[in-house]
Amino acid sequence: QQQVKQSPQSLIVQKGGISIINCAYENTAFDYFPWYQQFPGKGPALLIAIRPDVSEKKEGRFTISFNKSAKQFSLHIMDSQPGDSATYFCAASLYSGYSTLTFGKGTMLLVSP
Amino acid sequence: GAVVSQHPSWVICKSGTSVKIECRSLDFQATTMFWYRQFPKQSLMLMATSNEGSKATYEQGVEKDKFLINHASLTLSTLTVTSAHPEDSSFYICSASKPSGSNEQFFGPGTRLTVL
Repeated sequence: QQQVKQSPQSLIVQKGGISIINCAYENTAFDYFPWYQQFPGKGPALLIAIRPDVSEKKEGRFTISFNKSAKQFSLHIMDSQPGDSATYFCAASLYSGYSTLTFGKGTMLLVSP
Repeated sequence: GAVVSQHPSWVICKSGTSVKIECRSLDFQATTMFWYRQFPKQSLMLMATSNEGSKATYEQGVEKDKFLINHASLTLSTLTVTSAHPEDSSFYICSASKPSGSNEQFFGPGTRLTVL
């Protein structure tokens, strides 16, 4: 009930291409879905987050697509750049009330020049 | 802003010694702070959740007598790894949430612990 499944485990994309990372959750009570970006040796940084009242959220080159009925959400990185090479984690939790983040296992993205 | 700092950024210690890691929220008061451990190429594993002035809540399998957490103020939480052993070597990351009622977490930069 608490799992968040993330795929793919690793991804290589050419510069300028679109990177797509998918996550699926099980707990229908979850209503907060953030994506974190982590560079080697650094802590995760919040990239973008979505709540179920919208099906898509866009911030610059980063877009979250959310499918409530399928219990899936995905991160799209448009015009991927070598500087986007990092590990990306999806997570899910309740937005309010006592809840901890349930993380996916992460996706290592490499954007080739 | 929502900046969280950790100190030290890395530490090397001998087996059997204790190490203290500090986590501070620099520009906000943190209702709740979280401590995670991350092994290479793995996801973040929640160790414990702490609220200011109360005892920490530890996740299953985390030894509370080994990983001492003190949340003395709304801007400071500390994690002490007692009697450290080489298997405790890991990347320790804290996060904090604001008193807004949401579960948004803001992460620190992490502390690399190496136990020799």
